[in-house]
Amino acid sequence: DGGITQSPKYLFRKEGQNVTLSCEQNLNHDAMYWYRQDPGQGLRLIYYSQIVNDFQKGDIAEGYSVSREKKESFPLTVTSAQKNPTAFYLCASTLDTEAFFGQGTRLTVV
Amino acid sequence: DQQVKQNSPSLSVQEGRISILNCDYTNSMFDYFLWYKKYPAEGPTFLISISSIKDKNEDGRFTVFLNKSAKHLSLHIVPSQPGDSAVYFCAASDNSGGSNYKLTFGKGTLLTVNP
Repeated sequence: DGGITQSPKYLFRKEGQNVTLSCEQNLNHDAMYWYRQDPGQGLRLIYYSQIVNDFQKGDIAEGYSVSREKKESFPLTVTSAQKNPTAFYLCASTLDTEAFFGQGTRLTVV
Repeated sequence: DQQVKQNSPSLSVQEGRISILNCDYTNSMFDYFLWYKKYPAEGPTFLISISSIKDKNEDGRFTVFLNKSAKHLSLHIVPSQPGDSAVYFCAASDNSGGSNYKLTFGKGTLLTVNP
């Protein structure tokens, strides 16, 4: 079964700690994306990568970092510099004019 | 500056009636539009899309209408069912047909279909 897998589904971290969210796809898609959802804010683009070893900042990249060492994987690190990290994070990949999304990770910083 | 706007945060309709969800955009470079449905704590799932060369696209109970001159699109669900209750996101792209592009999303509309 092809798809995008995000793990874990729920994640709790202490304030000031870095945390990495996993995103893996076996769809052979070139482009991958990270979005963040907050209540009343819709989906906002954090980072995106169109090919391996290359990525660009989205609209709200501050406090986040990514890597794209493999086509299948696009991990997102939420750093201690992110002032309000508690949110729902969605990973996506694209083929033609459709975007395929993972199931999301709910990150709660306590 | 919000380029894709869904001005109704919520909508409530009776089962069997029509649901109409609206979306406005400001970027005239957008040429492909999509609707996604999202349940709580899950990723969005694709519903229906429309290219700017069309003004209507239909798929079963779902129809999307595009008015380019007004920069407005709408999603019609007929008849509405309780299982349609979810958040609906409107999204737009300015690179239709390519495999690498960015989607710009609206804030979403929570649809509740009452039995």
